[in-house]
Amino acid sequence: KQEVTQIPAALSVPEGENLVLNCSFTDSAIYNLQWFRQDPGKGLTSLLLIQSSQREQTSGRLNASLDKSSGRSTLYIAASQPGDSATYLCANGIRDDKIIFGKGTRLHILP
Amino acid sequence: DGGITQSPKYLFRKEGQNVTLSCEQNLNHDAMYWYRQDPGQGLRLIYYSQIVNDFQKGDIAEGYSVSREKKESFPLTVTSAQKNPTAFYLCASTIGTGGFGQPQHFGDGTRLSIL
Repeated sequence: KQEVTQIPAALSVPEGENLVLNCSFTDSAIYNLQWFRQDPGKGLTSLLLIQSSQREQTSGRLNASLDKSSGRSTLYIAASQPGDSATYLCANGIRDDKIIFGKGTRLHILP
Repeated sequence: DGGITQSPKYLFRKEGQNVTLSCEQNLNHDAMYWYRQDPGQGLRLIYYSQIVNDFQKGDIAEGYSVSREKKESFPLTVTSAQKNPTAFYLCASTIGTGGFGQPQHFGDGTRLSIL
């Protein structure tokens, strides 16, 4: 059974720093990996989606990487801003049309 | 603007009562999904539908029911059989019917509580 783990559960960093969020998964037979952002009391906003054949995707200050062999993905946020404060979730698309979500990392950028 | 609209934002249920959560999308997406999110937990799939008049159970379908009579609408009914319904419910959609290979778009959720 696929399990997706995000560590740490919460993270605080000063504004302006670069940071990395981690996502690990137990089954490398994934179709894709997606990173989402969730603000308090809101739905999820898709940030980046990496297909299984890709190694990374970039959007603005965000870069996501995928290493299927080690079962890991990272989300790199450059020059963090207070507006980046949110919960970040990763999710695996796997066989049988399933998506497995991690529990998220709650990020707080300190002004 | 295109998007997914969930209503109501907050909903309260009395014991023994069925309640229905609305989800409407104007993105012309084929597939729609319902998830449940509990505090500090990941999302769990309740039901999904890839085409009108067809839907499949997810991991936690017991105590819930859905219908897909129109492409743009996918309402979720929380029945009295669901003994622990207090949660944040999220509706999502994707373009096409190729399974979970496309980015999912989410609504803003409905928070259900028990009176």
